[in-house]
Amino acid sequence: KAGVTQTPRYLIKTRGQQVTLSCSPISGHRSVSWYQQTPGQGLQFLFEYFSETQRNKGNFPGRFSGRQFSNSRSEMNVSTLELGDSALYLCASSLASGGPHEQYFGPGTRLTVT
Amino acid sequence: TQLLEQSPQFLSIQEGENLTVYCNSSSVFSSLQWYRQEPGEGPVLLVTVVTGGEVKKLKRLTFQFGDARKDSSLHITAAQPGDTGLYLCAGDNTGKLIFGQGTTLQVKP
Repeated sequence: KAGVTQTPRYLIKTRGQQVTLSCSPISGHRSVSWYQQTPGQGLQFLFEYFSETQRNKGNFPGRFSGRQFSNSRSEMNVSTLELGDSALYLCASSLASGGPHEQYFGPGTRLTVT
Repeated sequence: TQLLEQSPQFLSIQEGENLTVYCNSSSVFSSLQWYRQEPGEGPVLLVTVVTGGEVKKLKRLTFQFGDARKDSSLHITAAQPGDTGLYLCAGDNTGKLIFGQGTTLQVKP
């Protein structure tokens, strides 16, 4: 079974631009969660989507948004990029939403904002 | 705000030594997970503990969930260079995972 894939793996953007990251979950998984990982703040929850609906949201500004498609693939968008948005963005998929479900993480997208 | 404090942040030991990583919070979690992350990869789930006082073993790794479900520990016996990586604990209470800052473990041959 193929794992979670994320594209692109690396991205360099300029302040003020916007970016869209993509995540394809494991086949059959309907929940996709997004996380931001930085050396200073560690891994922080962004949001979770299940069956195309946002189920949970972390404490991030509205510049961070996401969506999920009917095939469970998910995208996250960051508008008006700031230098502090430089981070590793990870997505994780699981069979169901909520509870101690096993999450499978992708390799991440490394975003650098200059 | 729920927080998970991990200690120590960094650990460098020789092959064959034992070590314990701690994960503490003032909040109660319905479950707690431990992950290991290697450079350039996403975290990989090692274990999920759900019941207060629960102990789970995975080969040389022993995980314990505190009786009050506020803390957890990971003990590694006879560490090997292959155990090197970032160890993360994550608590689940409201359907979203709260991660600790992580413990970077280096095991030298």
